[in-house]
Amino acid sequence: QSVLTQPPSVSGAPGQRVTISCTGSRSNIGTGYDVQWYQQLPGTAPKLLIYANSHRPSEVPDRFSASKSGTSASLAITGLQAEDGADYYCQSYDSSLSGWVFGGGTKLTVL
Amino acid sequence: QVQLEESGPGLVKPSQTLSLTCTVSGASISGDSSYWTWIRQPPGKGLEWIGYIYHSGYTSYNPSLKSRVSMSVDTSKNQFSLNLNSVTAADTAIYYCARGSLGYNWFDPWGQGTLASVSS
Repeated sequence: QSVLTQPPSVSGAPGQRVTISCTGSRSNIGTGYDVQWYQQLPGTAPKLLIYANSHRPSEVPDRFSASKSGTSASLAITGLQAEDGADYYCQSYDSSLSGWVFGGGTKLTVL
Repeated sequence: QVQLEESGPGLVKPSQTLSLTCTVSGASISGDSSYWTWIRQPPGKGLEWIGYIYHSGYTSYNPSLKSRVSMSVDTSKNQFSLNLNSVTAADTAIYYCARGSLGYNWFDPWGQGTLASVSS
């Protein structure tokens, strides 16, 4: 049972928009700790996709965006492409656990 | 650019100690703004933060693993290490090392990961 809750899977057709939610609590996202998103392509290590709630590293396409509100965060991918098929993880800090926590991951399938 | 590479035995017997090393290139492990982290991922499952170490030797561990984990740093080799004792099959996972930056809550970059299996 992960501290941050994500849907196990989402899917969309090429060109469509999908969103992935990440639900936390008052001891992590709700306290104001930043939310990060990582993309893990099959057989590879996770890669930082979004940091500090909504900021993209320079190499990440602007098709990826994210936001945070209250105890939740969400990742949006527009103009879905086949290469976006991957697992996506949210991550934040938890004051009750005094450590970093991850969501359980969401598998994105591009139909 | 900064690169990290994990190394260590791929197979460990139950009840023994799993030992892994992460070699950092492109940055000094003694840099004041960085801390060095271990994260693991059981096959087909999600990510779990194990802990981090600062170049001074200061450590912070996941409470769920704290009794079995220790980390160390070797600044002369630009490496940091993970020891996990009393391992069981539940500790079978891909182990990643990653860099964190002080004052920030994200990990970047990550190593490619190394699979450590616990089996007799």
